[in-house]
Amino acid sequence: DTAVSQTPKYLVTQMGNDKSIKCEQNLGHDTMYWYKQDSKKFLKIMFSYNNKELIINETVPNRFSPKSPDKAHLNLHINSLELGDSAVYFCASSRGQGDYEQYFGPGTRLTVT
Amino acid sequence: AQSVTQLGSHVSVSEGALVLLRCNYSSSVPPYLFWYVQYPNQGLQLLLKYTSAATLVKGINGFEAEFKKSETSFHLTKPSAHMSDAAEYFCAVKNTGGFKTIFGAGTRLFVKA
Repeated sequence: DTAVSQTPKYLVTQMGNDKSIKCEQNLGHDTMYWYKQDSKKFLKIMFSYNNKELIINETVPNRFSPKSPDKAHLNLHINSLELGDSAVYFCASSRGQGDYEQYFGPGTRLTVT
Repeated sequence: AQSVTQLGSHVSVSEGALVLLRCNYSSSVPPYLFWYVQYPNQGLQLLLKYTSAATLVKGINGFEAEFKKSETSFHLTKPSAHMSDAAEYFCAVKNTGGFKTIFGAGTRLFVKA
């Protein structure tokens, strides 16, 4: 059983399109995250939800919009895709706040052409 | 605000040699500290974490790290490198009571036969 799953694994699209990435965790965790990893492997937090409430909203273009329909799911919608959005996007979850480690999904490699 | 510095973007060792990956942190309050490993085309996995208990922390795959408050360091070591240890390693810090985990830029470990 996959603990944190993401779909799709690869996403190739043209500039200006709108796309979504879905994430699901079956660990019963309260907190979920979206990270962006660039080509140099730098990992940057984008958003975090705790019990469906947005608790981290970093300086991210408002073309990016997260949505958490329930504690087990956190989706990321991106409008008007740009070349600079090309990256690997990781979903993660943790039991809650505090000293809990994060469990990462396999990543979604987004390529904008 | 917390921050993490990983010294050396690339480290190369011979199989069987000592592995030492350096991490220094900055935090205004007692931190939680983590080491994660990322294998090619995968998400991050927890190696070990420090949460204010024992200062020497043992993790998976023979790795350990020592929290040194006076040096604000949390270096990762393994006595004998194995080819399968080749991966990207990330140090991360989180403030107690905080929401956000900050990741270092990563260190790529190469293991030579």
